[in-house]
Amino acid sequence: GIQVEQSPPDLILQEGANSTLRCNFSDSVNNLQWFHQNPWGQLINLFYIPSGTKQNGRLSATTVATERYSLLYISSSQTTDSGVYFCAVGPIQGAQKLVFGQGTRLTINP
Amino acid sequence: DSGVTQTPKHLITATGQRVTLRCSPRSGDLSVYWYQQSLDQGLQFLIHYYNGEERAKGNILERFSAQQFPDLHSELNLSSLELGDSALYFCASSVGGGIQPQHFGDGTRLSIL
Repeated sequence: GIQVEQSPPDLILQEGANSTLRCNFSDSVNNLQWFHQNPWGQLINLFYIPSGTKQNGRLSATTVATERYSLLYISSSQTTDSGVYFCAVGPIQGAQKLVFGQGTRLTINP
Repeated sequence: DSGVTQTPKHLITATGQRVTLRCSPRSGDLSVYWYQQSLDQGLQFLIHYYNGEERAKGNILERFSAQQFPDLHSELNLSSLELGDSALYFCASSVGGGIQPQHFGDGTRLSIL
């Protein structure tokens, strides 16, 4: 089945810093979503971005489907940005499901 | 708030027992998906229902079963529970059965003692 790799696995930054999280996937997809899992375990939907670029406040995302990767940008980090960021893809072949990467754990220190 | 409601939020039970997790999708959504998040396996797809019919199965154990009712809410039944079933179980919903974003509930945290 499709493989999803996220990098880096861990990232520790100071408040105010910028970061880029990467998601590589091994096959064509028709769905790609970025989630933030907060310390309470909630999965917050950040972007639905099977292709193109979107921005929402300090966050933006870009997916280049032809090259099978997506990037999540976080600018001017705040401590509330801490948590685990997941990329999830929907493979073109087979069931309509999301396949998740292992996540990037982001820690923002004050 | 995603609009997807999962109950209960926490569940503590013993090995060998049976539990039922409940999910109410967003208003108007016809698809319900179940996912399991465990420390060793990460987030994994279990099963997908669309308008009351099973559409796809993932890594769902035979001890687990699910259904979607006419009012579109769904239940995930876990039986003969083992220690390894301890996990966070998420329900997600989407408008149709095809390619749309999935919206996740807050999850049910299941602890097996």
